[in-house]
Amino acid sequence: QSVLTQPPSASGTPGQRVTISCSGSSSNIGSNYVYWYQQLPGTAPKLLIYRNNQRPSGVPDRFSGSKSGTSASLAISGLRSEDEADYYCAAWDDSLSALFGGGTKLTVL
Amino acid sequence: EVQLVESGGGLVQPGGSLRLSCAASGFTFSSYAMSWVRQAPGKGLEWVSAISGSGGSTYYADSVKGRFTISRDNSKNTLYLQMNSLRAEDTAVYYCAKQPSPAAAGTGPDYWGQGTLVTVSS
Repeated sequence: QSVLTQPPSASGTPGQRVTISCSGSSSNIGSNYVYWYQQLPGTAPKLLIYRNNQRPSGVPDRFSGSKSGTSASLAISGLRSEDEADYYCAAWDDSLSALFGGGTKLTVL
Repeated sequence: EVQLVESGGGLVQPGGSLRLSCAASGFTFSSYAMSWVRQAPGKGLEWVSAISGSGGSTYYADSVKGRFTISRDNSKNTLYLQMNSLRAEDTAVYYCAKQPSPAAAGTGPDYWGQGTLVTVSS
């Protein structure tokens, strides 16, 4: 069981806005940066958001991240079929270990 | 262009050992921390270990502490993971990943390799 808690699934129709939550504690999300990754079927993960809300070059501005207290969220606006993937949050813990959320499978209906 | 190419995966019996390698190119290897992340079949991502750019600091998940050893050879631009006392639950695709700073703690990977499959079975 992951220490970072994500909903196992999420869904939306093309053009909609969806959000994926990631809940942690004061020792991880509460005191460290949050990262978000996208994993398309059969491929390696790709960095989507770093340092809570920063987008690497090449990531569309449809993807945005936020953090408040011990929780974080990934928002995807203007949903597209190619956004169908697994999404993971990650953060370091003050115990000097890194944590991943259990992952959220996003379905575009 | 950052490239990370893992090798060394395969089938090993429970209790056996395996050493994974990750050849890095496209960046100044010694300036960045590196990590290993694994994914069991059909499951989510699990962080395994991380090492600072100099190699002086290492970190491990509790599930592998005392069995796995992370190391790097900055002269060869190569990251390693020595895995001993392997168990069935270690079966997974192992990804090599680059971190965005020389310090391993506090940052998440920014680039990932394609992974190498390790299967622990008799």
